[in-house]
Amino acid sequence: GEDVEQSLFLSVREGDSSVINCTYTDSSSTYLYWYKQEPGAGLQLLTYIFSNMDMKQDQRLTVLLNKKDKHLSLRIADTQTGDSAIYFCAESSNSGYALNFGKGTSLLVTP
Amino acid sequence: EPEVTQTPSHQVTQMGQEVILHCVPISNHLYFYWYRQILGQKVEFLVSFYNNEISEKSEIFDDQFSVERPDGSNFTLKIRSTKLEDSAMYFCASSEETGGADTEAFFGQGTRLTVV
Repeated sequence: GEDVEQSLFLSVREGDSSVINCTYTDSSSTYLYWYKQEPGAGLQLLTYIFSNMDMKQDQRLTVLLNKKDKHLSLRIADTQTGDSAIYFCAESSNSGYALNFGKGTSLLVTP
Repeated sequence: EPEVTQTPSHQVTQMGQEVILHCVPISNHLYFYWYRQILGQKVEFLVSFYNNEISEKSEIFDDQFSVERPDGSNFTLKIRSTKLEDSAMYFCASSEETGGADTEAFFGQGTRLTVV
């Protein structure tokens, strides 16, 4: 099947910006998502971007999409210890709502 | 805030046994899903369900798996004869609609299934 790849770990200091990267292979991907999973909790949708956009900003979150390179990134400004979680990149196509996830990036924010 | 509830949080079962995982989706949602995540691997789509029938399923969702909405609130995943490789975290999700970024899927906290 089509692949979604993420780096597994990222560690940043509190107050710094975090950038989590994701690459995907499906050229028919229409929607791209970032989900957050805190310990013991389910997957929470953080933000999404439609494939005809190249940037979306939502408070501390900035999503950048390079459709040519099939590269998606999530930037978290002024990262806080409460941002420590696993962040999943996911994509879906127009044909349905089956989400294709990456393995998740564990973000650790240190004081 | 409404949430998707899954029970139990952890289920241990012997190989070959049947297991049923339970989910209570958000009450006004119409679309229901099961995903799973084997330890160290990515979250994988299993099945979507709408109007009392399966609308989409993956290759993983073979004859050993079935889903049911036995009443107006529960949505269950049954594994008929569990195998060691069925050990995973199983996530239930629901959404008001489907197909599109603005139709957010809400996920439960997951059931960790361990087959021994």
